[in-house]
Amino acid sequence: DTGVSQNPRHKITKRGQNVTFRCDPISEHNRLYWYRQTLGQGPEFLTYFQNEAQLEKSRLLSDRFSAERPKGSFSTLEIQRTEQGDSAMYLCASKASQTGELFFGEGSRLTVL
Amino acid sequence: AQSVTQPDIHITVSEGASLELRCNYSYGATPYLFWYVQSPGQGLQLLLKYFSGDTLVQGIKGFEAEFKRSQSSFNLRKPSVHWSDAAEYFCAVGDFNNAGNMLTFGGGTRLMVKP
Repeated sequence: DTGVSQNPRHKITKRGQNVTFRCDPISEHNRLYWYRQTLGQGPEFLTYFQNEAQLEKSRLLSDRFSAERPKGSFSTLEIQRTEQGDSAMYLCASKASQTGELFFGEGSRLTVL
Repeated sequence: AQSVTQPDIHITVSEGASLELRCNYSYGATPYLFWYVQSPGQGLQLLLKYFSGDTLVQGIKGFEAEFKRSQSSFNLRKPSVHWSDAAEYFCAVGDFNNAGNMLTFGGGTRLMVKP
């Protein structure tokens, strides 16, 4: 499968725990995006990488959130000290160029108890 | 700041009937517009996009959309709906003035198809 891959697909955690999600983009895509989608809403932009550089972060990305793309390939999104409000689907997407099509992964669903 | 409004949260149509999903956007310049579809538990799939040129855009699965600048709209249409079209549909506007050109999505319209 050469699409965008995300894991884990589902994560249930207790409030206060840390969680990490991984995204493997399409191999030739240098641009990688993280979005968050809550129930009944459209996706909201969180952050964007071009190669290994994190070029933009939304104000939605609080200090408890950190994202990396160390070698310009896969990316991780870590949430520290999770809160119930963090419960959402975390979507990763990638594309090859500024005007290229954005390809989404199937998402990682987080439930914080 | 750009924004997208999808006025209809839910729409139910009969199989074989025509479909129109509404999308209104707010953007300061010429918008780049998209429609995505999301099936339950799945990621988003691009149906079609408008960058420039012909205002009637053809997409996959028999969908089309028309860009109307005067109405700030980009409505999605399909002449005959199939049961497999039941899903959530998202309209989005792209900010290509920003190098990252991240998308701003509407709240979505959930389509249900009656047999």
